Amino acid sequence: DAGVIQSPRHEVTEMGQEVTLRCKPISGHNSLFWYRQTMMRGLELLIYFNNNVPIDDSGMPEDRFSAKMPNASFSTLKIQPSEPRDSAVYFCASSSGTVNQPQHFGDGTRLSIL
Amino acid sequence: GQQLNQSPQSMFIQEGEDVSMNCTSSSIFNTWLWYKQDPGEGPVLLIALYKAGELTSNGRLTAQFGITRKDSFLNISASIPSDVGIYFCAGNSGYALNFGKGTSLLVTP
Repeated sequence: DAGVIQSPRHEVTEMGQEVTLRCKPISGHNSLFWYRQTMMRGLELLIYFNNNVPIDDSGMPEDRFSAKMPNASFSTLKIQPSEPRDSAVYFCASSSGTVNQPQHFGDGTRLSIL
Repeated sequence: GQQLNQSPQSMFIQEGEDVSMNCTSSSIFNTWLWYKQDPGEGPVLLIALYKAGELTSNGRLTAQFGITRKDSFLNISASIPSDVGIYFCAGNSGYALNFGKGTSLLVTP
């Protein structure tokens, strides 16, 4: 079975550029989560969706970050404009949607902003 | 999010030894999860615990959900080199997970 699929796996870009990260959740999962992982702060939840609706975006660092889920099989996380401090690994995860269900993670996008 | 305290931060052991790591929280969780992360990959679910007091095994891994619902431990028996990685605990009290900072495990042959 296909797991959570993220693209690109790596992204290197200059500060000020727009960055778009993509995620395809596991089929049938109706909750989707975006995380950021850094050495200093560990895994931080940025936003999560249930049935394509954003439920909690309190973890989004600032207005430069936005996320969408136009349908059940696709989500994007966009950073515009990007800054060097946004450099991190960004993970997408999905779960079956009922409360307390385990989340399954993609392999992440390693983002470097120069 | 709620803070999870995971210990130890790192472990350096010899192949064949048993390993124990734990997580504590000041808050109650409904579910405790243990993940393993290899370099360049995402966290992979090892064990999920759903009931206070529950003891669950997955091969050489055993995890328990504390009676107070504020703690959990993970044991690895007879460690092997491929056990190397970072182990994360996570507590779930709804949709979102709260993660510990991880235990980095190194196993020498």
